[in-house]
Amino acid sequence: KQEVTQIPAALSVPEGENLVLNCSFTDSAIYNLQWFRQDPGKGLTSLLLIQSSQREQTSGRLNASLDKSSGRSTLYIAASQPGDSATYLCAVAPVGDYKLSFGAGTTVTVRA
Amino acid sequence: NAGVTQTPKFRILKIGQSMTLQCTQDMNHNYMYWYRQDPGMGLKLIYYSVGAGITDKGEVPNGYNVSRSTTEDFPLRLELAAPSQTSVYFCASRLRGGENEQFFGPGTRLTVL
Repeated sequence: KQEVTQIPAALSVPEGENLVLNCSFTDSAIYNLQWFRQDPGKGLTSLLLIQSSQREQTSGRLNASLDKSSGRSTLYIAASQPGDSATYLCAVAPVGDYKLSFGAGTTVTVRA
Repeated sequence: NAGVTQTPKFRILKIGQSMTLQCTQDMNHNYMYWYRQDPGMGLKLIYYSVGAGITDKGEVPNGYNVSRSTTEDFPLRLELAAPSQTSVYFCASRLRGGENEQFFGPGTRLTVL
């Protein structure tokens, strides 16, 4: 069974610092990995989708890398802002399964 | 496209009451999902569907029922509501094929008193 882990569970940084969020998964047989953002009391917004054949994806200040063989993905957020404060979840789409496997998330606080 | 829409946004139920949470997507997605998220916790899959007429249980199906009579709609039925079903419920959808992106609705916040 695919297990997805996100460490740390919470992170607090001063504004302007770069954020590094980690996601690890146990089975490398995946179609893709997706990063989501969740604001308090809100739904999940898709940030980036990395296909299994890709090494990274970029969108603005966000960059996500994928190392399928080692079962790791990293989300980098450059020059963090207080508006980046949220919970970030990663999810993998396992081969042979209709359902995504989610991590528990990393809650980020960016201090002004 | 409106994406994934859910109604109602909020609801308070009394113990033993029943209700249906509505979910609709207009992206012609084959796969649809219902999750619950308890405060400070991760997502737990309740039920999912891979197409009209096909549904299957997730991790926490007890106390819930679903149906999928059309591609667009995937309602979640709560029978005999219990305080343990107090949670935020999210519906999600994805196009057929493992490589496709999953989209979420805004959620329904349910309180059972």
